[in-house]
Amino acid sequence: DGGITQSPKYLFRKEGQNVTLSCEQNLNHDAMYWYRQDPGQGLRLIYYSQIVNDFQKGDIAEGYSVSREKKESFPLTVTSAQKNPTAFYLCASSRGQGINQPQHFGDGTRLSIL
Amino acid sequence: KQEVTQIPAALSVPEGENLVLNCSFTDSAIYNLQWFRQDPGKGLTSLLLIQSSQREQTSGRLNASLDKSSGRSTLYIAASQPGDSATYLCASARSGYSTLTFGKGTMLLVSP
Repeated sequence: DGGITQSPKYLFRKEGQNVTLSCEQNLNHDAMYWYRQDPGQGLRLIYYSQIVNDFQKGDIAEGYSVSREKKESFPLTVTSAQKNPTAFYLCASSRGQGINQPQHFGDGTRLSIL
Repeated sequence: KQEVTQIPAALSVPEGENLVLNCSFTDSAIYNLQWFRQDPGKGLTSLLLIQSSQREQTSGRLNASLDKSSGRSTLYIAASQPGDSATYLCASARSGYSTLTFGKGTMLLVSP
């Protein structure tokens, strides 16, 4: 079955620690996205990538970093500079490089602070 | 900057009722309007995508309409079922941009 796999499902971060969230897709999609969702809020875009080795900042990129070394993988690092990282993180992908295709989502990673 | 608003924030209906969820957006220069479903603790599932040149899209009991001039889209759910209980989010793709702007969603509860 094709889809998007996010791991881990739950993650805990200590103060001053960087953590990396994994996102893998086997849909052969070109574009991948990272969103943050807070309770009662819509999704806010952190970073997106339309092609391997290229990515763009979204609306709330500060304190986050990404890489896109392989088409199927788009890991997100939450750095210690992100002061309020507790949230539900969602990864998505879509065909092509534009926005005229439906986005497919993983089941998310819930990040909490210890 | 595009702003997307969904009303109501929550809705509770008895099974079998037809219902309408509303989505409004401030910039009418959109590429498309998308509707998603989110179950608790899960990711989003794409339901319908309406291109800017279209007026509506249908999938089973779901019908989504788009009125660009008024900046509105509606999601019509016919003969609602308890399995329809979820949060429904709309998102707009603005012309010239590569990203979606999401509303905060409408939480729907369908009671047996």
